[in-house]
Amino acid sequence: EAGVVQSPRYKIIEKKQPVAFWCNPISGHNTLYWYRQNLGQGPELLIRYENEEAVDDSQLPKDRFSAERLKGVDSTLKIQPAELGDSAVYLCASSKGLAGEQFFGPGTRLTVL
Amino acid sequence: GQQLNQSPQSMFIQEGEDVSMNCTSSSIFNTWLWYKQDPGEGPVLLIALYKAGELTSNGRLTAQFGITRKDSFLNISASIPSDVGIYFCAGPAGGTSYGKLTFGQGTILTVHP
Repeated sequence: EAGVVQSPRYKIIEKKQPVAFWCNPISGHNTLYWYRQNLGQGPELLIRYENEEAVDDSQLPKDRFSAERLKGVDSTLKIQPAELGDSAVYLCASSKGLAGEQFFGPGTRLTVL
Repeated sequence: GQQLNQSPQSMFIQEGEDVSMNCTSSSIFNTWLWYKQDPGEGPVLLIALYKAGELTSNGRLTAQFGITRKDSFLNISASIPSDVGIYFCAGPAGGTSYGKLTFGQGTILTVHP
């Protein structure tokens, strides 16, 4: 069974540029999560989807961050415009339902110059 | 919000030694999870604990759910070089048993051959 797939694995951009991350969850997992992990810290939840519905986006900085999961499968997280402080690893995870074990993808390491 | 405090922050041990790390919270958790993260990868679930006082093993790993529900311990016996990585405790926020996870800041483990 394929795991959570994320792309790209690495991204370097200049500040004020837009950037997008893509995630394909494990087949059959209807719950999808986007986390941000700063250096030396644990992951912090940005947004959680149940199918195509965002059920918890309280931690998402909505002025510059947006996310979508249009068909309830893969998802895209966007930052526009990026700031220096956005440099971090962006992790996607999925689970089979709200109470299921969360499986993480390898993450996208973003560097904003 | 809820915070999880892990200790120690880092450990340097010799191969073959046993390791112990813990995680504490100011609030009650109904589930405790222990993850390991290798460089450039996402966290991988090692052990899940669902009941106060529960002691669960996974190979050389043993974890316990503290009786007060405010702490958890992870022990690794007879460490080997591949145990190197960052170990995170995590639990669902808000006293629930699912959903949004709060992570500790991690314990960095280095094993010298």
